[in-house]
Amino acid sequence: DAKTTQPPSMDCAEGRAANLPCNHSTISGNEYVYWYRQIHSQGPQYIIHGLKNNETNEMASLIITEDRKSSTLILPHATLRDTAVYYCIVTGGATNKLIFGTGTLLAVQP
Amino acid sequence: EPEVTQTPSHQVTQMGQEVILRCVPISNHLYFYWYRQILGQKVEFLVSFYNNEISEKSEIFDDQFSVERPDGSNFTLKIRSTKLEDSAMYFCASSYWPGPSYEQYFGPGTRLTVT
Repeated sequence: DAKTTQPPSMDCAEGRAANLPCNHSTISGNEYVYWYRQIHSQGPQYIIHGLKNNETNEMASLIITEDRKSSTLILPHATLRDTAVYYCIVTGGATNKLIFGTGTLLAVQP
Repeated sequence: EPEVTQTPSHQVTQMGQEVILRCVPISNHLYFYWYRQILGQKVEFLVSFYNNEISEKSEIFDDQFSVERPDGSNFTLKIRSTKLEDSAMYFCASSYWPGPSYEQYFGPGTRLTVT
C-alpha cells in the first residue's frame, strides 16, 4: 500500500501557483519523497524528489516540513499542459521500487 | 534529452501466446524496472533488474514473466503464456544507479491487449 495520502482532486487557475499537499506521517529517516505526474495514460514523468531539505528545479519546488511528515509540491505558474494526475511517493530503505497510490488529479482551468 | 524508449507502442496477442516487450533504457543507466497499469487502476511495480540479476520482484511477477538484458542496450519483458488479465500498459523505467536517491525515468509504455 502507498505510504502517502493526497487529496483526490484539485483545481488551479492558469498562471497561478498550484500547491499540491501530501501526508507521509510514517516516513522513515532514510526514505525519500518523490513526485511524479501522469498525463492520460502516458508514462509517469519524474518531477522532483527530496530527503530533508526543500528542493527546486526547472519544473517545480518541493517543500518538506521539518518533521518530514508532510510535503507540498509547488508548480509556480500552472499551464493547461500541467493538467495531470500527480503522485507523491515515499521510497527508500531496503527498496527503491515506486509504490503508486491514486494521486491527485490537478485540473488547470483557463 | 535522453529518454527511455519502448516498442511496440501497441501489441495485440491471443491468449496463450508468448509476447516480448522491448525497452531501450537511457544509455548510462544501470538499473532497470518494469511496471504495469491496468486500465483505470494504479501503476504497479513488477520487477527491478541490476547487474544482470533480478533485484526485487512483486507477487505479480510469477513464473510466466521473465526479464532479460540480451545486449548492451535492450531490456525485455517476456510473458510466456498471456492471459486476458495481462492486458495493461507496461512501462519500462531506468535509473542511473541503484538506490532511492536516484530518480527513475519512464518510457511511454506498451499497450498490451490480450484477446
